[in-house]
Amino acid sequence: DVKVTQSSRYLVKRTGEKVFLECVQDMDHENMFWYRQDPGLGLRLIYFSYDVKMKEKGDIPEGYSVSREKKERFSLILESASTNQTSMYLCASSQSGGASYEQYFGPGTRLTVT
Amino acid sequence: QKEVEQDPGPLSVPEGAIVSLNCTYSNSAFQYFMWYRQYSRKGPELLMYTYSSGNKEDGRFTAQVDKSSKYISLFIRDSQPSDSATYLCAILKGGGGSYIPTFGRGTSLIVHP
Repeated sequence: DVKVTQSSRYLVKRTGEKVFLECVQDMDHENMFWYRQDPGLGLRLIYFSYDVKMKEKGDIPEGYSVSREKKERFSLILESASTNQTSMYLCASSQSGGASYEQYFGPGTRLTVT
Repeated sequence: QKEVEQDPGPLSVPEGAIVSLNCTYSNSAFQYFMWYRQYSRKGPELLMYTYSSGNKEDGRFTAQVDKSSKYISLFIRDSQPSDSATYLCAILKGGGGSYIPTFGRGTSLIVHP
Protein backbone atom coordinates (compact mmCIF):
# COMPACT_ATOMS: atom_id res chain seq x y z
CA ASP A 1 0.00 0.00 0.00
CA VAL A 2 1.66 3.19 -1.19
CA LYS A 3 1.92 5.89 1.35
CA VAL A 4 2.80 9.52 1.87
CA THR A 5 2.94 10.54 5.50
CA GLN A 6 3.12 13.97 7.06
CA SER A 7 4.56 14.59 10.49
CA SER A 8 1.54 16.32 12.00
CA ARG A 9 -2.19 16.49 11.26
CA TYR A 10 -2.72 19.67 13.26
CA LEU A 11 -0.21 22.29 14.32
CA VAL A 12 -0.59 25.58 16.18
CA LYS A 13 2.31 28.02 16.14
CA ARG A 14 2.89 31.61 17.13
CA THR A 15 3.76 34.44 14.79
CA GLY A 16 7.50 34.60 14.21
CA GLU A 17 8.21 30.98 15.04
CA LYS A 18 10.21 28.77 12.69
CA VAL A 19 8.02 25.88 11.57
CA PHE A 20 9.07 22.57 10.06
CA LEU A 21 6.64 20.36 8.16
CA GLU A 22 7.94 16.93 7.29
CA CYS A 23 6.84 14.60 4.52
CA VAL A 24 7.96 11.04 3.87
CA GLN A 25 7.05 8.75 0.96
CA ASP A 26 7.76 5.04 0.70
CA MET A 27 7.31 4.63 -3.08
CA ASP A 28 10.85 5.56 -4.17
CA HIS A 29 9.40 8.48 -6.13
CA GLU A 30 11.71 11.03 -7.68
CA ASN A 31 9.33 13.99 -7.55
CA MET A 32 7.95 15.58 -4.41
CA PHE A 33 5.74 18.62 -3.96
CA TRP A 34 4.41 20.97 -1.31
CA TYR A 35 1.04 22.65 -1.79
CA ARG A 36 -1.16 24.80 0.33
CA GLN A 37 -4.92 24.57 0.03
CA ASP A 38 -7.22 27.44 0.95
CA PRO A 39 -10.99 27.77 0.50
CA GLY A 40 -11.82 29.33 -2.84
CA LEU A 41 -8.20 29.25 -4.00
CA GLY A 42 -7.67 25.53 -4.47
CA LEU A 43 -4.26 23.90 -4.47
CA ARG A 44 -1.31 26.22 -4.91
CA LEU A 45 2.20 24.89 -5.49
CA ILE A 46 4.81 26.22 -3.09
CA TYR A 47 7.95 24.23 -4.00
CA PHE A 48 8.81 21.00 -5.71
CA SER A 49 11.82 18.76 -6.04
CA TYR A 50 12.72 16.33 -8.81
CA ASP A 51 15.77 14.83 -7.15
CA VAL A 52 17.71 14.77 -3.91
CA LYS A 53 19.09 18.21 -3.04
CA MET A 54 17.24 19.73 -6.00
CA LYS A 55 14.42 22.21 -5.50
CA GLU A 56 12.38 24.51 -7.67
CA LYS A 57 10.05 27.34 -6.79
CA GLY A 58 6.38 26.90 -7.44
CA ASP A 59 3.75 29.60 -7.73
CA ILE A 60 3.91 30.97 -4.16
CA PRO A 61 7.38 30.36 -2.65
CA GLU A 62 7.62 33.59 -0.66
CA GLY A 63 8.04 32.99 3.05
CA TYR A 64 8.89 29.30 2.56
CA SER A 65 11.96 27.19 1.99
CA VAL A 66 12.45 23.46 1.49
CA SER A 67 15.00 20.77 2.09
CA ARG A 68 15.47 17.39 0.44
CA GLU A 69 18.49 15.59 1.85
CA LYS A 70 17.11 12.10 1.22
CA LYS A 71 14.99 10.80 -1.62
CA GLU A 72 12.07 9.81 0.59
CA ARG A 73 11.89 12.99 2.68
CA PHE A 74 10.88 16.52 1.72
CA SER A 75 10.63 19.22 4.35
CA LEU A 76 8.83 22.54 4.18
CA ILE A 77 10.17 25.33 6.38
CA LEU A 78 8.40 28.51 7.37
CA GLU A 79 11.28 30.74 8.39
CA SER A 80 9.12 33.16 10.41
CA ALA A 81 5.50 32.10 10.56
CA SER A 82 2.85 34.71 9.88
CA THR A 83 -0.92 34.60 10.26
CA ASN A 84 -1.42 34.59 6.49
CA GLN A 85 0.35 31.22 6.42
CA THR A 86 -2.53 29.64 8.30
CA SER A 87 -3.63 26.96 5.85
CA MET A 88 -3.84 23.27 4.98
CA TYR A 89 -0.48 22.02 3.73
CA LEU A 90 -0.38 19.00 1.47
CA CYS A 91 2.65 17.01 0.42
CA ALA A 92 2.60 14.88 -2.72
CA SER A 93 4.94 12.63 -4.66
CA SER A 94 5.05 11.20 -8.15
CA GLN A 95 7.38 9.02 -10.16
CA SER A 96 9.37 10.11 -13.18
CA GLY A 97 8.59 8.89 -16.64
CA GLY A 98 5.36 7.81 -18.22
CA ALA A 99 3.23 7.54 -15.10
CA SER A 100 4.20 10.92 -13.71
CA TYR A 101 0.68 12.22 -14.21
CA GLU A 102 -0.45 10.66 -10.93
CA GLN A 103 0.37 12.41 -7.69
CA TYR A 104 0.03 10.66 -4.34
CA PHE A 105 -0.95 12.97 -1.53
CA GLY A 106 -0.43 12.84 2.19
CA PRO A 107 -3.29 13.49 4.61
CA GLY A 108 -2.36 17.14 5.08
CA THR A 109 -1.23 19.32 7.98
CA ARG A 110 -3.62 21.99 9.17
CA LEU A 111 -1.42 24.80 10.41
CA THR A 112 -2.78 27.64 12.48
CA VAL A 113 -0.53 30.64 13.16
CA THR A 114 -1.74 32.87 15.99
CA GLN B 1 -7.69 34.00 -17.00
CA LYS B 2 -6.62 30.97 -14.99
CA GLU B 3 -5.37 28.04 -17.04
CA VAL B 4 -8.02 25.77 -15.50
CA GLU B 5 -11.43 27.00 -14.41
CA GLN B 6 -13.72 25.01 -12.14
CA ASP B 7 -16.87 26.13 -10.37
CA PRO B 8 -16.33 25.62 -6.60
CA GLY B 9 -20.03 24.92 -5.91
CA PRO B 10 -21.26 23.57 -3.59
CA LEU B 11 -23.36 21.27 -5.71
CA SER B 12 -26.12 19.59 -3.72
CA VAL B 13 -28.06 16.67 -5.23
CA PRO B 14 -30.39 13.94 -3.97
CA GLU B 15 -29.20 10.37 -3.75
CA GLY B 16 -29.54 8.58 -7.08
CA ALA B 17 -29.09 11.70 -9.21
CA ILE B 18 -26.71 11.95 -12.13
CA VAL B 19 -23.97 14.43 -11.31
CA SER B 20 -22.02 16.44 -13.86
CA LEU B 21 -18.79 18.13 -12.81
CA ASN B 22 -16.91 20.28 -15.30
CA CYS B 23 -13.70 22.16 -15.97
CA THR B 24 -12.54 24.35 -18.81
CA TYR B 25 -8.94 24.98 -19.75
CA SER B 26 -7.14 27.43 -21.96
CA ASN B 27 -3.89 25.74 -23.06
CA SER B 28 -4.22 23.39 -26.02
CA ALA B 29 -0.89 21.75 -25.06
CA PHE B 30 -2.55 19.92 -22.22
CA GLN B 31 -2.63 16.17 -22.85
CA TYR B 32 -3.43 14.35 -19.60
CA PHE B 33 -6.73 15.00 -17.88
CA MET B 34 -7.30 13.79 -14.35
CA TRP B 35 -9.99 13.86 -11.72
CA TYR B 36 -9.06 13.70 -8.04
CA ARG B 37 -11.48 13.11 -5.20
CA GLN B 38 -10.83 14.63 -1.79
CA TYR B 39 -12.81 13.63 1.26
CA SER B 40 -13.01 16.00 4.20
CA ARG B 41 -9.75 16.14 6.20
CA LYS B 42 -7.97 13.87 3.71
CA GLY B 43 -5.56 14.39 0.84
CA PRO B 44 -6.78 14.13 -2.78
CA GLU B 45 -6.72 10.72 -4.48
CA LEU B 46 -6.67 10.07 -8.19
CA LEU B 47 -10.08 8.89 -9.35
CA MET B 48 -9.68 8.74 -13.13
CA TYR B 49 -7.44 9.95 -15.89
CA THR B 50 -7.72 10.17 -19.65
CA TYR B 51 -5.13 10.87 -22.29
CA SER B 52 -7.23 11.71 -25.32
CA SER B 53 -10.60 13.05 -26.31
CA GLY B 54 -13.64 10.88 -25.76
CA ASN B 55 -15.11 8.98 -22.85
CA LYS B 56 -13.64 6.69 -20.25
CA GLU B 57 -15.87 4.71 -17.96
CA ASP B 58 -15.15 3.12 -14.57
CA GLY B 59 -18.18 1.78 -12.78
CA ARG B 60 -20.51 4.66 -11.98
CA PHE B 61 -17.96 7.23 -13.13
CA THR B 62 -17.41 8.52 -16.66
CA ALA B 63 -14.70 11.00 -17.61
CA GLN B 64 -15.20 12.92 -20.82
CA VAL B 65 -12.75 15.13 -22.69
CA ASP B 66 -13.57 17.48 -25.55
CA LYS B 67 -10.26 18.91 -26.73
CA SER B 68 -11.87 21.02 -29.44
CA SER B 69 -13.87 22.89 -26.80
CA LYS B 70 -11.17 22.58 -24.08
CA TYR B 71 -13.77 21.13 -21.77
CA ILE B 72 -13.63 18.14 -19.45
CA SER B 73 -16.40 16.52 -17.46
CA LEU B 74 -16.89 13.89 -14.80
CA PHE B 75 -20.26 12.19 -14.64
CA ILE B 76 -21.41 10.21 -11.62
CA ARG B 77 -24.38 7.92 -12.11
CA ASP B 78 -26.63 6.79 -9.27
CA SER B 79 -24.86 9.13 -6.88
CA GLN B 80 -24.47 7.99 -3.27
CA PRO B 81 -23.96 9.92 -0.02
CA SER B 82 -20.47 8.38 0.05
CA ASP B 83 -19.70 10.36 -3.12
CA SER B 84 -19.89 13.57 -1.08
CA ALA B 85 -16.44 15.09 -1.46
CA THR B 86 -14.53 17.76 -3.30
CA TYR B 87 -13.65 16.85 -6.88
CA LEU B 88 -10.61 18.48 -8.43
CA CYS B 89 -9.77 18.40 -12.08
CA ALA B 90 -6.09 18.38 -12.94
CA ILE B 91 -4.45 18.79 -16.31
CA LEU B 92 -0.93 18.01 -17.43
CA LYS B 93 0.99 19.11 -20.50
CA GLY B 94 2.82 15.83 -20.90
CA GLY B 95 6.07 15.38 -22.71
CA GLY B 96 9.55 14.94 -21.33
CA GLY B 97 10.01 16.40 -17.88
CA SER B 98 6.45 17.63 -17.57
CA TYR B 99 5.05 16.31 -14.33
CA ILE B 100 3.43 19.27 -12.61
CA PRO B 101 -0.33 19.28 -13.05
CA THR B 102 -2.44 22.39 -13.07
CA PHE B 103 -5.35 21.94 -10.67
CA GLY B 104 -8.80 23.43 -10.76
CA ARG B 105 -10.13 24.96 -7.54
CA GLY B 106 -12.30 21.92 -6.87
CA THR B 107 -16.09 21.47 -6.76
CA SER B 108 -17.71 20.53 -3.47
CA LEU B 109 -20.37 17.85 -4.01
CA ILE B 110 -23.01 17.00 -1.43
CA VAL B 111 -25.24 13.99 -2.03
CA HIS B 112 -28.07 13.94 0.47
CA PRO B 113 -30.11 10.81 1.30
